[in-house]
Amino acid sequence: AQSVTQLDSQVPVFEEAPVELRCNYSSSVSVYLFWYVQYPNQGLQLLLKYLSGSTLVESINGFEAEFNKSQTSFHLRKPSVHISDTAEYFCAVSPHSGGYQKVTFGTGTKLQVIP
Amino acid sequence: DAGITQSPRHKVTETGTPVTLRCHQTENHRYMYWYRQDPGHGLRLIHYSYGVKDTDKGEVSDGYSVSRSKTEDFLLTLESATSSQTSVYFCATQSSGQNYEQYFGPGTRLTVT
Repeated sequence: AQSVTQLDSQVPVFEEAPVELRCNYSSSVSVYLFWYVQYPNQGLQLLLKYLSGSTLVESINGFEAEFNKSQTSFHLRKPSVHISDTAEYFCAVSPHSGGYQKVTFGTGTKLQVIP
Repeated sequence: DAGITQSPRHKVTETGTPVTLRCHQTENHRYMYWYRQDPGHGLRLIHYSYGVKDTDKGEVSDGYSVSRSKTEDFLLTLESATSSQTSVYFCATQSSGQNYEQYFGPGTRLTVT
């Protein structure tokens, strides 16, 4: 079994300030890690993922996340947020396997960027 | 975009009535999923499909059934809707490749009165 904890349900931050959205997971097997973003009234879309290799992964719009196996964390960071980053962010994990992905999602963190 | 559409986008129905939600994809992805999204719960898997006529239950499958007669269509049926099934429903697809990304539809907001 696996679980994902996103302790912060809402994170307000001023525009151009840095932000960190926290994600911790629990699993008895090795996992793949994901961050999805959901803009208002839309479906989720993949922001970034860790499958293997370098533990630091980046998105095209300036977000990054680092897989920390010892702390079972996959925190999402951005050094300077923009108004357009206002959205809900979901951390997710799935066990290493081919094919069907049994993905477990966290409860989400709403990022509110304040002008 | 993976070309996923859901219909209807909004529906209001009465308790006890059957409801069918449709997910249609144009990407020829092998795997399809139905989730529900509720405040404080994130997304929870209802059912999934790993091929035509091949489906299985997720963590919150009670009261729901699914069918997949074609690769592109995945139907979710609430046999007798209850107020606890008021939610936003998302369909997702995934290719059989190794990128493990799920592609989500725009969602269906269902209200059971």
